[in-house]
Amino acid sequence: DTGVSQDPRHKITKRGQNVTFRCDPISEHNRLYWYRQTLGQGPEFLTYFQNEAQLEKSRLLSDRFSAERPKGSFSTLEIQRTEQGDSAMYLCASSIRTGEGYTFGSGTRLTVV
Amino acid sequence: QKEVEQDPGPLSVPEGAIVSLNCTYSNSAFQYFMWYRQYSRKGPELLMYTYSSGNKEDGRFTAQVDKSSKYISLFIRDSQPSDSATYLCAMSGSNSGGYQKVTFGTGTKLQVIP
Repeated sequence: DTGVSQDPRHKITKRGQNVTFRCDPISEHNRLYWYRQTLGQGPEFLTYFQNEAQLEKSRLLSDRFSAERPKGSFSTLEIQRTEQGDSAMYLCASSIRTGEGYTFGSGTRLTVV
Repeated sequence: QKEVEQDPGPLSVPEGAIVSLNCTYSNSAFQYFMWYRQYSRKGPELLMYTYSSGNKEDGRFTAQVDKSSKYISLFIRDSQPSDSATYLCAMSGSNSGGYQKVTFGTGTKLQVIP
Protein backbone atom coordinates (compact mmCIF):
# COMPACT_ATOMS: atom_id res chain seq x y z
CA ASP A 1 0.00 0.00 0.00
CA THR A 2 1.56 3.29 -1.08
CA GLY A 3 -1.00 5.63 0.54
CA VAL A 4 -1.18 7.33 3.94
CA SER A 5 -2.68 5.02 6.56
CA GLN A 6 -4.48 6.15 9.68
CA ASP A 7 -5.63 4.05 12.58
CA PRO A 8 -8.22 3.75 13.97
CA ARG A 9 -10.82 4.92 11.46
CA HIS A 10 -13.33 5.70 14.19
CA LYS A 11 -12.98 6.28 17.92
CA ILE A 12 -15.72 6.88 20.45
CA THR A 13 -14.52 7.89 23.87
CA LYS A 14 -15.94 9.29 27.06
CA ARG A 15 -15.12 12.83 28.09
CA GLY A 16 -11.97 12.95 30.16
CA GLN A 17 -10.36 9.88 28.62
CA ASN A 18 -7.08 9.92 26.68
CA VAL A 19 -6.93 8.84 23.04
CA THR A 20 -4.06 8.18 20.66
CA PHE A 21 -4.14 8.08 16.87
CA ARG A 22 -1.52 6.70 14.53
CA CYS A 23 -0.46 7.79 11.05
CA ASP A 24 1.82 5.92 8.66
CA PRO A 25 2.90 8.27 5.85
CA ILE A 26 4.10 7.37 2.37
CA SER A 27 7.54 5.89 2.99
CA GLU A 28 9.57 8.33 0.88
CA HIS A 29 7.78 11.41 2.28
CA ASN A 30 9.82 13.02 5.04
CA ARG A 31 7.22 15.71 5.80
CA LEU A 32 4.14 14.88 7.84
CA TYR A 33 1.19 17.03 8.87
CA TRP A 34 -1.78 16.72 11.19
CA TYR A 35 -4.99 18.60 10.43
CA ARG A 36 -8.37 18.69 12.14
CA GLN A 37 -11.66 19.02 10.26
CA THR A 38 -15.09 19.66 11.72
CA LEU A 39 -18.38 19.32 9.87
CA GLY A 40 -18.82 21.90 7.13
CA GLN A 41 -15.32 23.29 7.55
CA GLY A 42 -12.04 22.87 5.72
CA PRO A 43 -9.08 21.15 7.37
CA GLU A 44 -7.28 23.27 10.00
CA PHE A 45 -3.55 22.89 10.48
CA LEU A 46 -2.40 21.39 13.78
CA THR A 47 1.27 20.49 13.47
CA TYR A 48 4.11 19.70 11.06
CA PHE A 49 7.07 17.33 11.19
CA GLN A 50 10.13 17.22 9.01
CA ASN A 51 11.65 13.81 9.67
CA GLU A 52 11.47 13.41 13.47
CA ALA A 53 11.54 17.14 14.25
CA GLN A 54 8.28 18.90 15.08
CA LEU A 55 8.87 22.26 13.38
CA GLU A 56 5.54 24.01 13.79
CA LYS A 57 2.51 23.81 16.03
CA SER A 58 -0.73 25.72 15.67
CA ARG A 59 -2.12 27.61 18.62
CA LEU A 60 -5.15 25.33 18.10
CA LEU A 61 -2.94 22.63 19.58
CA SER A 62 -3.56 23.11 23.29
CA ASP A 63 -1.34 21.53 25.93
CA ARG A 64 -3.73 18.55 26.00
CA PHE A 65 -2.53 17.65 22.52
CA SER A 66 0.86 16.12 21.82
CA ALA A 67 2.31 14.67 18.67
CA GLU A 68 5.42 12.62 18.06
CA ARG A 69 7.22 11.14 15.12
CA PRO A 70 9.94 8.87 16.48
CA LYS A 71 12.62 7.95 13.96
CA GLY A 72 10.90 10.06 11.33
CA SER A 73 8.55 7.30 10.26
CA PHE A 74 5.03 6.91 11.70
CA SER A 75 3.47 9.60 13.86
CA THR A 76 1.10 9.57 16.83
CA LEU A 77 -1.29 12.26 17.99
CA GLU A 78 -2.45 12.01 21.60
CA ILE A 79 -5.29 13.97 23.16
CA GLN A 80 -5.43 13.94 26.94
CA ARG A 81 -8.55 14.61 29.00
CA THR A 82 -10.77 14.73 25.92
CA GLU A 83 -13.56 17.31 25.72
CA GLN A 84 -16.69 17.29 23.58
CA GLY A 85 -15.18 20.09 21.49
CA ASP A 86 -12.43 17.68 20.42
CA SER A 87 -14.96 15.72 18.35
CA ALA A 88 -13.74 16.03 14.76
CA MET A 89 -12.01 14.23 11.92
CA TYR A 90 -8.25 14.11 12.49
CA LEU A 91 -6.40 13.98 9.19
CA CYS A 92 -2.80 13.08 8.57
CA ALA A 93 -0.98 14.03 5.37
CA SER A 94 2.51 13.63 4.00
CA SER A 95 4.57 15.21 1.24
CA ILE A 96 8.04 15.48 -0.22
CA ARG A 97 8.02 19.30 -0.18
CA THR A 98 6.07 21.76 1.93
CA GLY A 99 3.47 24.13 0.56
CA GLU A 100 2.52 21.94 -2.37
CA GLY A 101 0.05 19.10 -2.76
CA TYR A 102 -0.26 16.73 0.14
CA THR A 103 -1.43 13.13 0.20
CA PHE A 104 -4.03 12.71 2.91
CA GLY A 105 -5.09 9.63 4.78
CA SER A 106 -8.74 8.74 5.27
CA GLY A 107 -8.72 10.27 8.73
CA THR A 108 -9.70 9.21 12.23
CA ARG A 109 -13.18 10.30 13.24
CA LEU A 110 -13.27 11.05 16.98
CA THR A 111 -16.53 11.30 18.89
CA VAL A 112 -16.37 12.40 22.53
CA VAL A 113 -19.51 11.56 24.49
CA GLN B 1 -11.99 37.98 7.74
CA LYS B 2 -10.75 34.52 6.78
CA GLU B 3 -7.65 34.28 4.61
CA VAL B 4 -9.53 32.04 2.16
CA GLU B 5 -13.23 32.43 1.37
CA GLN B 6 -15.27 29.77 -0.38
CA ASP B 7 -19.04 29.51 -0.89
CA PRO B 8 -20.16 26.35 0.93
CA GLY B 9 -23.03 25.68 -1.48
CA PRO B 10 -24.61 23.22 -1.88
CA LEU B 11 -24.44 23.46 -5.66
CA SER B 12 -26.74 21.17 -7.66
CA VAL B 13 -26.27 20.76 -11.42
CA PRO B 14 -27.63 18.33 -14.03
CA GLU B 15 -25.31 15.69 -15.45
CA GLY B 16 -23.25 17.08 -18.35
CA ALA B 17 -23.27 20.67 -17.09
CA ILE B 18 -20.17 22.81 -16.74
CA VAL B 19 -19.44 23.49 -13.09
CA SER B 20 -17.63 26.58 -11.84
CA LEU B 21 -16.20 26.61 -8.32
CA ASN B 22 -14.45 29.66 -6.91
CA CYS B 23 -12.39 30.99 -4.01
CA THR B 24 -11.11 34.39 -3.03
CA TYR B 25 -8.18 35.08 -0.75
CA SER B 26 -6.60 37.97 1.05
CA ASN B 27 -2.96 36.95 1.58
CA SER B 28 -0.77 38.34 -1.22
CA ALA B 29 2.01 35.91 -0.27
CA PHE B 30 0.06 32.90 -1.56
CA GLN B 31 1.77 31.48 -4.64
CA TYR B 32 0.71 27.83 -4.73
CA PHE B 33 -2.93 27.02 -5.40
CA MET B 34 -4.58 23.65 -5.08
CA TRP B 35 -7.97 22.02 -5.46
CA TYR B 36 -8.89 18.96 -3.46
CA ARG B 37 -11.91 16.71 -3.79
CA GLN B 38 -13.35 15.12 -0.67
CA TYR B 39 -15.94 12.38 -0.66
CA SER B 40 -18.07 11.87 2.43
CA ARG B 41 -16.10 10.39 5.35
CA LYS B 42 -12.88 10.29 3.33
CA GLY B 43 -9.72 12.37 3.36
CA PRO B 44 -9.18 15.11 0.74
CA GLU B 45 -7.68 14.00 -2.59
CA LEU B 46 -5.46 16.39 -4.59
CA LEU B 47 -7.03 17.22 -7.98
CA MET B 48 -5.08 20.17 -9.35
CA TYR B 49 -1.99 22.11 -8.33
CA THR B 50 -0.84 25.37 -9.93
CA TYR B 51 1.89 27.87 -9.25
CA SER B 52 1.23 31.62 -9.58
CA SER B 53 -1.23 32.94 -12.17
CA GLY B 54 -2.54 31.20 -15.25
CA ASN B 55 -4.53 28.19 -16.35
CA LYS B 56 -3.92 24.47 -16.00
CA GLU B 57 -5.97 21.75 -17.65
CA ASP B 58 -6.21 18.07 -16.74
CA GLY B 59 -8.88 16.10 -18.55
CA ARG B 60 -12.29 17.53 -17.66
CA PHE B 61 -10.80 19.83 -15.02
CA THR B 62 -9.38 23.33 -15.56
CA ALA B 63 -7.88 25.46 -12.79
CA GLN B 64 -7.50 29.21 -13.17
CA VAL B 65 -5.60 31.62 -10.96
CA ASP B 66 -5.91 35.41 -11.14
CA LYS B 67 -3.46 36.79 -8.58
CA SER B 68 -4.30 40.40 -9.44
CA SER B 69 -7.88 39.79 -8.30
CA LYS B 70 -6.94 37.21 -5.64
CA TYR B 71 -9.43 34.82 -7.22
CA ILE B 72 -9.12 31.17 -8.21
CA SER B 73 -11.52 28.91 -10.07
CA LEU B 74 -12.02 25.25 -10.88
CA PHE B 75 -14.09 24.31 -13.90
CA ILE B 76 -15.48 20.82 -14.43
CA ARG B 77 -16.68 20.01 -17.93
CA ASP B 78 -19.24 17.30 -18.73
CA SER B 79 -19.95 16.80 -15.04
CA GLN B 80 -20.77 13.26 -13.88
CA PRO B 81 -22.66 11.94 -10.85
CA SER B 82 -19.31 10.59 -9.63
CA ASP B 83 -18.11 14.21 -9.36
CA SER B 84 -20.56 14.71 -6.49
CA ALA B 85 -18.32 15.60 -3.56
CA THR B 86 -17.01 18.55 -1.58
CA TYR B 87 -14.37 20.61 -3.38
CA LEU B 88 -11.80 22.38 -1.25
CA CYS B 89 -9.54 25.14 -2.48
CA ALA B 90 -6.18 25.45 -0.75
CA MET B 91 -3.18 27.74 -1.02
CA SER B 92 0.23 28.47 0.45
CA GLY B 93 3.18 30.83 0.17
CA SER B 94 6.71 30.22 -1.08
CA ASN B 95 8.21 26.93 0.04
CA SER B 96 11.84 27.84 -0.45
CA GLY B 97 13.58 27.18 2.83
CA GLY B 98 11.11 27.30 5.68
CA TYR B 99 7.74 25.71 6.10
CA GLN B 100 4.65 27.28 4.57
CA LYS B 101 1.43 25.79 5.80
CA VAL B 102 -1.43 25.12 3.44
CA THR B 103 -4.61 27.06 4.21
CA PHE B 104 -7.91 25.53 3.13
CA GLY B 105 -11.26 27.02 2.22
CA THR B 106 -14.40 25.66 3.85
CA GLY B 107 -15.30 23.60 0.77
CA THR B 108 -18.19 23.70 -1.72
CA LYS B 109 -20.54 20.73 -1.75
CA LEU B 110 -21.41 19.72 -5.31
CA GLN B 111 -24.21 17.41 -6.36
CA VAL B 112 -24.48 16.26 -9.99
CA ILE B 113 -27.95 14.97 -10.70
CA PRO B 114 -28.32 12.15 -13.27
